[in-house]
Amino acid sequence: SQQGEEDPQALSIQEGENATMNCSYKTSINNLQWYRQNSGRGLVHLILIRSNEREKHSGRLRVTLDTSKKSSSLLITASRAADTASYFCATGTTGTYKYIFGTGTRLKVLA
Amino acid sequence: GAVVSQHPSWVICKSGTSVKIECRSLDFQATTMFWYRQFPKQSLMLMATSNEGSKATYEQGVEKDKFLINHASLTLSTLTVTSAHPEDSSFYICSASLSGANVLTFGAGSRLTVL
Repeated sequence: SQQGEEDPQALSIQEGENATMNCSYKTSINNLQWYRQNSGRGLVHLILIRSNEREKHSGRLRVTLDTSKKSSSLLITASRAADTASYFCATGTTGTYKYIFGTGTRLKVLA
Repeated sequence: GAVVSQHPSWVICKSGTSVKIECRSLDFQATTMFWYRQFPKQSLMLMATSNEGSKATYEQGVEKDKFLINHASLTLSTLTVTSAHPEDSSFYICSASLSGANVLTFGAGSRLTVL
């Protein structure tokens, strides 16, 4: 399977703490994206990082990408209860619109 | 921003019947749409790529006669689960992207329960 792996599978933290989740993938990519999914809903795009970028910020989100290790991390700072959701990485390959999703991290932020 | 509407959001049907799920891009044209399947607490598995005006491209292991995809216009793709069985019960999600854009916009998903 080409599916990426994410860890941890589940993460429970207190409000205000930072949450870090990691994604590893198998193929060469031209970009990597992170999506969020609330229970029973569709996915919402959070951030995209291109293969020639190493770090990107968007609000409380910080994404890093290490193409030599085929890995990425998503950091959510100062977490809130509303951040409770599942987070997925998705990798895109050059020349195709197909994206392969990672296994996901279920984040629970306790108020 | 780009919006994708998926309908119905949930459906219950009897075993042996067929169910159609619609995916519409509301404010943009999508030459390509994607259909995913998601089991509880698991990731999204790409089922097929839907191409406007041509046949869909199915991923390995997905039965094309079981999951019929039609992309008749630039704003509508449909997934029909034919002769549904309980093992077809799942959460089906579609997505689309603006031409030339990398970001996928997802529908809210359709939960299918086959009795």
